[in-house]
Amino acid sequence: DTGVSQDPRHKITKRGQNVTFRCDPISEHNRLYWYRQTLGQGPEFLTYFQNEAQLEKSRLLSDRFSAERPKGSFSTLEIQRTEQGDSAMYLCASSLAGGGNQPQHFGDGTRLSIL
Amino acid sequence: AQTVTQSQPEMSVQEAETVTLSCTYDTSESDYYLFWYKQPPSRQMILVIRQEAYKQQNATENRFSVNFQKAAKSFSLKISDSQLGDAAMYFCAYTAFWTQGGSEKLVFGKGTKLTVNP
Repeated sequence: DTGVSQDPRHKITKRGQNVTFRCDPISEHNRLYWYRQTLGQGPEFLTYFQNEAQLEKSRLLSDRFSAERPKGSFSTLEIQRTEQGDSAMYLCASSLAGGGNQPQHFGDGTRLSIL
Repeated sequence: AQTVTQSQPEMSVQEAETVTLSCTYDTSESDYYLFWYKQPPSRQMILVIRQEAYKQQNATENRFSVNFQKAAKSFSLKISDSQLGDAAMYFCAYTAFWTQGGSEKLVFGKGTKLTVNP
């Protein structure tokens, strides 16, 4: 169990550029979540996968955001035409199915800064 | 919609003393889970303790314990014998019981920053 890993740890980009983040969950976990955390706030749910299927998306996930989990293993989160308001920490978590009996394990996050 | 409220943006405690962090939540569900997560500066979020709503007994994990009041929708965290390593942001979180369907996404409060003074 190597834990949830996210790459990159930090990303600085200019407004209007596209960015992509990667999350590698704990290998046996079939559920994968993306959250966004802005300064002084708790994480907010963005989207969730069970295996390769994206089953729920938050209203926070605008059309500029897209997430994939092509083989039910790693996941990518892409933001197109970045805006200042996209600056945040993007957290990935994974778990087994089973609700609170199977708690979510978080990665270190990717901190996005928009210039 | 479910909401989680942490009314204490910051708390401080002397090393070896006890501190209690408050959390209230709102839900119409009868079965759910509540969690306390710890997020040290620039480090990943880790689970401290969890409570199943259908269990009356309060959860404990070593120096960490909760006071779960279901009727009042209150879920406080007590840290005994505070240590310097306990300094972190603490987040209270909620998720619905899995048989109700849905993603079991976590709904977080805004967090409480805990400082431990030597």
